Amino acid sequence: DARVTQTPRHKVTEMGQEVTMRCQPILGHNTVFWYRQTMMQGLELLAYFRNRAPLDDSGMPKDRFSAEMPDATLATLKIQPSEPRDSAVYFCASGLGSGGETQYFGPGTRLLVL
Amino acid sequence: AQTVTQSQPEMSVQEAETVTLSCTYDTSESDYYLFWYKQPPSRQMILVIRQEAYKQQNATENRFSVNFQKAAKSFSLKISDSQLGDAAMYFCAYRGYNTDKLIFGTGTRLQVFP
Repeated sequence: DARVTQTPRHKVTEMGQEVTMRCQPILGHNTVFWYRQTMMQGLELLAYFRNRAPLDDSGMPKDRFSAEMPDATLATLKIQPSEPRDSAVYFCASGLGSGGETQYFGPGTRLLVL
Repeated sequence: AQTVTQSQPEMSVQEAETVTLSCTYDTSESDYYLFWYKQPPSRQMILVIRQEAYKQQNATENRFSVNFQKAAKSFSLKISDSQLGDAAMYFCAYRGYNTDKLIFGTGTRLQVFP
């Protein structure tokens, strides 16, 4: 069955290193979301795209985070340089657009920055 | 701004029994969508059930049903015939009619005892 896939599933890195997380949305979905989950903040939206165009990245620290969609089958979230406070689970979700369509989540990337 | 409140950090239920998880929300919108997501230990976010605010009928998915009280801004989840596999974190989420952003509650951890 169709699923959102994310790689890597786990990442341990040292402070200052670049981290790239990838997401493959469900085929045919035109909206892709990036969420971050931490114990302190819960689930928060970082950014999202529709038809590969960024619609909202207000939840993302601009100085170190960047999100792109090189093509309709790939979304990336990059952190450079990474910091210990970036340790979290990062989820990608995809959907069929607005109007309340359900967002389907990937398995997440668990990031630990030492 | 919209907010979602889950006042029960933890709940427990005996296998085969029924449990109800509470969720309240605050919004000035008249049209919106509400969701319950399940997050098992694997961290995967799984959609359990969704409700459109314009529908008076409560949504049902097999053993899962909701009690949607629009005037009270309440959206509780009832799990009938609880199974060990239902043990997870459950998140209530709100989405405005003309927005894409999901606003999550803080979650309720459900334990199921044999």
